Amino acid sequence: AQKVTQAQTEISVVEKEDVTLDCVYETRDTTYYLFWYKQPPSGELVFLIRRNSFDEQNEISGRYSWNFQKSTSSFNFTITASQVVDSAVYFCALKVNSGYSTLTFGKGTMLLVSP
Amino acid sequence: EAQVTQNPRYLITVTGKKLTVTCSQNMNHEYMSWYRQDPGLGLRQIYYSMNVEVTDKGDVPEGYKVSRKEKRNFPLILESPSPNQTSLYFCATVNQGSNTEAFFGQGTRLTVV
Repeated sequence: AQKVTQAQTEISVVEKEDVTLDCVYETRDTTYYLFWYKQPPSGELVFLIRRNSFDEQNEISGRYSWNFQKSTSSFNFTITASQVVDSAVYFCALKVNSGYSTLTFGKGTMLLVSP
Repeated sequence: EAQVTQNPRYLITVTGKKLTVTCSQNMNHEYMSWYRQDPGLGLRQIYYSMNVEVTDKGDVPEGYKVSRKEKRNFPLILESPSPNQTSLYFCATVNQGSNTEAFFGQGTRLTVV
């Protein structure tokens, strides 16, 4: 069975601070995909990134960066110079590639960025 | 444009009054599923469907029914809603394979009083 743990329930930062959201996953499959989604106060789920298990290269997209480490089963998400618009709930999710499978979500981290 | 459409977006209903939340996708994906989201619990899967006429229970199926008569539609049915089904519901479709990606509807916020 798959499991995703987001140990940080809530994080509060002041604008322009850097913040890292942690994600630790468990799976016995060797081929899998990891995702991050953002859920702003309006409620929809916004796709941020997908990473497959064969690609450990870190990725940067503007102020966002992701650090994938198979050795520690972690897929952490860093926001540099946070802004008020980054305030949202962030979900990490895992999908394995064996047959038909669904996404397993972590419980989410609520990020509050104050001006 | 790839779309997953849920209706209604908001619904307030009374205990015991049957309701259906519709979900439709235009991507011809075989796999569809329903999630509910509750504070502190993340998203939990209710039911999923691997193809037409093939459905199965997820982690929290009690009190829900689904059907998959056509590939594009996957309605969620609450035969006798109760207040503990007050939640935010998401329909999702996933394309399987090496370019796997999940597409979500906009969510349905259901309140049962």
